[in-house]
Amino acid sequence: DAGITQSPRHKVTETGTPVTLRCHQTENHRYMYWYRQDPGHGLRLIHYSYGVKDTDKGEVSDGYSVSRSKTEDFLLTLESATSSQTSVYFCAISESGQNSEAFFGQGTRLTVV
Amino acid sequence: DQQVKQNSPSLSVQEGRISILNCDYTNSMFDYFLWYKKYPAEGPTFLISISSIKDKNEDGRFTVFLNKSAKHLSLHIVPSQPGDSAVYFCAASGGTYNNNDMRFGAGTRLTVKP
Repeated sequence: DAGITQSPRHKVTETGTPVTLRCHQTENHRYMYWYRQDPGHGLRLIHYSYGVKDTDKGEVSDGYSVSRSKTEDFLLTLESATSSQTSVYFCAISESGQNSEAFFGQGTRLTVV
Repeated sequence: DQQVKQNSPSLSVQEGRISILNCDYTNSMFDYFLWYKKYPAEGPTFLISISSIKDKNEDGRFTVFLNKSAKHLSLHIVPSQPGDSAVYFCAASGGTYNNNDMRFGAGTRLTVKP
């Protein structure tokens, strides 16, 4: 299994509070991604990174920010959580970009109340 | 806009028979397609992929077919096994200037009955 760890695995937070999800990899892969999974929508890309300090927006980036200060860590921050951000969040890593196999973490279930 | 569509939310087949999962896409710029499998409480795992220069790719019991003119791909599982029961996601990339924007379908839940 690819060395990719998400933390926390579960979190309940209140509307308006900031939340940070962490993705840690031990594979030294260049690309890292954050997705959210919602019923009827599949997986939607939030943000991705193609190197340290190099990030870009995905399909559903509003309300989210990311940071990558080290190759192994990719943080997803909800500056002010809303109920619409209740979802399951997956981190993924890839050695050579999206036109190749990506490895996913086990997911973080976030509930905003 | 849902650029990748899996119109069947669920599929049930008997063990040993063929499972066919379908996927349609709207963006003709997509040039790489993947299938992922997901078990409950786990992340998706890569299953098989196909480049747009091919129309078929096979890996053991799994075969993916691509029909570019119809913007359609399908995953065939033969023979189906109970352990194949999972949610299957179709994904496509290459549709924008940035080929890191991979789009997923909503998934099809496959149930293989013993």
